[in-house]
This record gives sequence, C-alpha cells and structure tokens, in this order.
Amino acid sequence: QVTLQESGPGLIKPSQPLSVTCSVTGYSITTSYYYWNWIRKFPGNKLEWMGYISYDGSIYYNPSLKSRISITRDTSKNQFFLQLNTVTTEDTAVYYCARHALPGPQGFDYWGQGVMVTVSS
Amino acid sequence: DIVMTQGALPSPVPSGESASITCQSSKSLLHSNGKTYLNWYLQRPGQSPQFLIYWMSTRASGVSDRFSGSGSGTDFTLKISRVEAEDVGVYYCQQDLEFPLTFGSGTKLEIK
Repeated sequence: QVTLQESGPGLIKPSQPLSVTCSVTGYSITTSYYYWNWIRKFPGNKLEWMGYISYDGSIYYNPSLKSRISITRDTSKNQFFLQLNTVTTEDTAVYYCARHALPGPQGFDYWGQGVMVTVSS
Repeated sequence: DIVMTQGALPSPVPSGESASITCQSSKSLLHSNGKTYLNWYLQRPGQSPQFLIYWMSTRASGVSDRFSGSGSGTDFTLKISRVEAEDVGVYYCQQDLEFPLTFGSGTKLEIK
C-alpha cells in the first residue's frame, strides 16, 4: 500500500521560506519510472502543479515558480521536500505531494492528505 | 501554458440520474502516438483528489464503471451514470501532454 504524508509548519510569516516534507511508505521513491510531485490548492479550489523530482533525481519546476522553488530528496529516509522562498499571502494553500507514473497509467495516482500552510504576519 | 476550462453543472443532480462534466483545452491534447493526454480527478469533501480517468477514457484502477470519459483533441466529457451520494465533490480535468501540467478550475457536483 503506497501512502504519502505531508508535514509542514502550518503558519509562516511573509518573506520566510516555506518547507514541507513528504514521507512515502510502501514504495521506494527511486523505483523507475515514477515522479514525485508537489501540487497546491488555493482557497477557491484552483490547483497548481509546482514541480517534481524523479526516480533518478532529475527535477522540473513550474516556470511560474522557478526562481523561488527547490525540490530535493533523502532516499535513505524515502522522503522528498519542498522549499518555497520569499512567500507572500498568495502562497497560502493546501500543499499536496503526489506520485505520477510515466508511461501509463499516466496521472497522479497517489496523493497525500495535504497540509494547510497559511502565510500571515 | 495549456489552459483548461471547465463548465458548471446545473446543480443539484437528482440521485440516480446521469451527470456530464465538460472540459476544454486551449491546445489539442492528442499526441502523435494516438493517445490523448487528459485526466480526470474527484476531490470529495475533506479528502485529497482521487485519480479517475487517464488517456481521456481509461478508468484508473478500482474506479467504478459508472464513470466514463470521452472527447476529441480539445473538448472532453466526463459522464457519471446513476449518480450516488459518494459522487459528491469537485471534479477536475488535467492535461498531461506538456509541462507545466495544468488543471481545470473544477466542477462541483451536488446531489438532490
């Protein structure tokens, strides 16, 4: 059984870095050909794909976030991480981690429960 | 970026009736390999999104056959037959053709 679990700060102040961890159990994040993603849901239901780190460590970011985002991993702990710098109130969202397969079934087949992060002074 | 546009449902849908949710993409999602890279998800209240459909019309593992996907390269429909209480939530389409991956704005299904 594949499970993903996010953990994060809950509340952070503007301009601080946002850090969220995704802990994966039941599946190795180094198994071909899976991609480990960060997706966020803003108040009002909009979903934004943020980026991924792949089974072989390659990374791809959404260009809209490219200057602020970093995704890394610790294979020994089977975890991957999101860091988003210089946050503003507009980064308030529920942050999800999710697995994506390539090739098919090609979509986000497993999701974490999500962690709410509020940016407020 | 590929923009995904979803339609609204005349809400609520009577229990046992069918519901059709539409989605349009700003670019054809039909790949030269013949696959159309359009996915559907359901987010039930208080839960994370659930993977329903990939390649426009293939049900993900464990998904009820009451859910079916269809469409062309840019216009897509998710049909839910005989809607039940457990179908309530927000449905999202998502394009998987090119980066950045993008989602529709969501369509809420309520049941009468």
